[in-house]
Amino acid sequence: DAAVTQKPRYLIKMKGQEAEMKCIPEKGHTAVFWYQQKQSKELKFLIYFQNQQPLDQIDMVKERFSAVCPSSSLCSLGIRTCEAEDSALYLCSSSQGEEVFFGKGTRLTVV
Amino acid sequence: QQKVQQSPESLSVPEGGMASLNCTSSDRNFQYFWWYRQHSGEGPKALMSIFSDGDKKEGRFTAHLNKASLHVSLHIRDSQPSDSALYFCAAITGGYKVVFGSGTRLLVSP
Repeated sequence: DAAVTQKPRYLIKMKGQEAEMKCIPEKGHTAVFWYQQKQSKELKFLIYFQNQQPLDQIDMVKERFSAVCPSSSLCSLGIRTCEAEDSALYLCSSSQGEEVFFGKGTRLTVV
Repeated sequence: QQKVQQSPESLSVPEGGMASLNCTSSDRNFQYFWWYRQHSGEGPKALMSIFSDGDKKEGRFTAHLNKASLHVSLHIRDSQPSDSALYFCAAITGGYKVVFGSGTRLLVSP
């Protein structure tokens, strides 16, 4: 099976704390996407990397998040100052051509 | 902005029935289409892809693509309670841009 690995699976932070989650893309995939999903509803696009370079991101990410792909085998998504509204499942996916695979996600709870 | 409209938002079918999910895209640059299924507490998993006009069948699942109308559908025959999940369609351009539909929540009742 194709594998996109996300760590940690669960993350609990207090308001104001910093959070970081990691994604190991499927080998050979050059595109990496991060999504936010609340209450098992629609996937909200956050940021997209191609060959480790950020090509598209929403304003929220520019303002409060930090996202990098320092290598083709590791990406990270951080929240500089967690807010209650950031509680969600954060999904990483990687793609190459017509293949798109997801990790199991990091569930962030902000208390 | 590229969009993929997915319908219905939710769907209930009896066990053994047929479930039909639909997506319509707004951009002819979309070349590849995928269907994903997400069970509670998990990440989405790829079900099947379709790139060419017509039907593609994999077991109880049949995807249909009509490029002229930018419409893709997924039909699940003999639906099982284990099919209850959130289903997403995804449209992908030749340049790797991926756009997801808003999801259809399917409930199959015994």
